[in-house]
Amino acid sequence: DVKVTQSSRYLVKRTGEKVFLECVQDMDHENMFWYRQDPGLGLRLIYFSYDVKMKEKGDIPEGYSVSREKKERFSLILESASTNQTSMYLCASSPPGGKQYFGPGTRLTVT
Amino acid sequence: AQSVSQHNHHVILSEAASLELGCNYSYGGTVNLFWYVQYPGQHLQLLLKYFSGDPLVKGIKGFEAEFIKSKFSFNLRKPSVQWSDTAEYFCAVNASGGSYIPTFGRGTSLIVHP
Repeated sequence: DVKVTQSSRYLVKRTGEKVFLECVQDMDHENMFWYRQDPGLGLRLIYFSYDVKMKEKGDIPEGYSVSREKKERFSLILESASTNQTSMYLCASSPPGGKQYFGPGTRLTVT
Repeated sequence: AQSVSQHNHHVILSEAASLELGCNYSYGGTVNLFWYVQYPGQHLQLLLKYFSGDPLVKGIKGFEAEFIKSKFSFNLRKPSVQWSDTAEYFCAVNASGGSYIPTFGRGTSLIVHP
């Protein structure tokens, strides 16, 4: 069974802090994704990676960066956290075109 | 660019009622279609998917969806809902043979009263 794990379930950070969210998948999937989920807005894609060191911007990349140094790991970085980045962050992985497997999510609060 | 519309944002039903959640997409080419479900406190998980073949697809827990190409629709149905179907439902589309970046609808929150 595919497992996607995220480093934290809940995180509280202060405005201006640098925040790292990590995601690991164990099924050798090429594709990995970071979304944020907000009530009434559904899932919005932040970044997508289709291979090691390869990334593409999603719909809302501003204020975020990503890193994929190993195939199984995809990190989301908030360079300087702001209160409008308070949200639920979901990581997913998939084979090309296939169904996505989601992690449990990280609920980030920026105060 | 593709987009996905879910018309019902909040649906409230009593147990045993029938369910139909609308999903329309805009994309001119061949698509892969998905419905995902997120039960309270749980991960998003796949309910069903359509890649090709029979446009009526069956998923887990008695759900089904019908792909109607002429209407660009992929509506989700269940003949008789249960309290345990209370969840958030997301429709998603990706372009078959394309970059495989899926686009999600805004989701429909379903509450089923016992």
